[in-house]
Amino acid sequence: KNEVEQSPQNLTAQEGEFITINCSYSVGISALHWLQQHPGGGIVSLFMLSSGKKKHGRLIATINIQEKHSSLHITASHPRDSAVYICAVGLEGGADGLTFGKGTHLIIQP
Amino acid sequence: DAGVIQSPRHEVTEMGQEVTLRCKPISGHNSLFWYRQTMMRGLELLIYFNNNVPIDDSGMPEDRFSAKMPNASFSTLKIQPSEPRDSAVYFCASSRAGGPYNEQFFGPGTRLTVL
Repeated sequence: KNEVEQSPQNLTAQEGEFITINCSYSVGISALHWLQQHPGGGIVSLFMLSSGKKKHGRLIATINIQEKHSSLHITASHPRDSAVYICAVGLEGGADGLTFGKGTHLIIQP
Repeated sequence: DAGVIQSPRHEVTEMGQEVTLRCKPISGHNSLFWYRQTMMRGLELLIYFNNNVPIDDSGMPEDRFSAKMPNASFSTLKIQPSEPRDSAVYFCASSRAGGPYNEQFFGPGTRLTVL
């Protein structure tokens, strides 16, 4: 079974700091997703990547297929960015469902 | 669109009882997924449907779990009999089409507590 590792597990930072969350996976994938889970429990899809880099507002996601690694960056972090960020992969040639990392719990303090 | 709708939002039941969780996917979406989230294991895929047909149920923990999708707008996940270790948040998600390249839209989840 594919293993998806995220780091760090927990991250506390001050408002305005640049945040990086990392995701590594061990086998071939078709696509990688970054999800955000709010304190209330709702899950929202942020990005889907199969190569390169995507940007949406203050969020940037990158993926390096050769190194089996992805990063999620948050610029000018804000307390409302506090959430759990989850990396999920779709396996290459595999089923359509996603395999998830355990998530990174981010707290941005004012 | 109302998004993915799940009911109930919270369910508390006693061990041995039957539990039925319900999901209405976004209209026009052809793929539906059931996931379970626990503190220990995080999010896990239980089963997914494509065009109402179960494609992969390898994540269903055991025979006590069953899922159906009788039509494009409704799916159920049933646990019978329920056990305390089934306590978790169960999410339903849908996407426009199958495949890992499509964005999945998650419902609010059903928090299940089995006493």
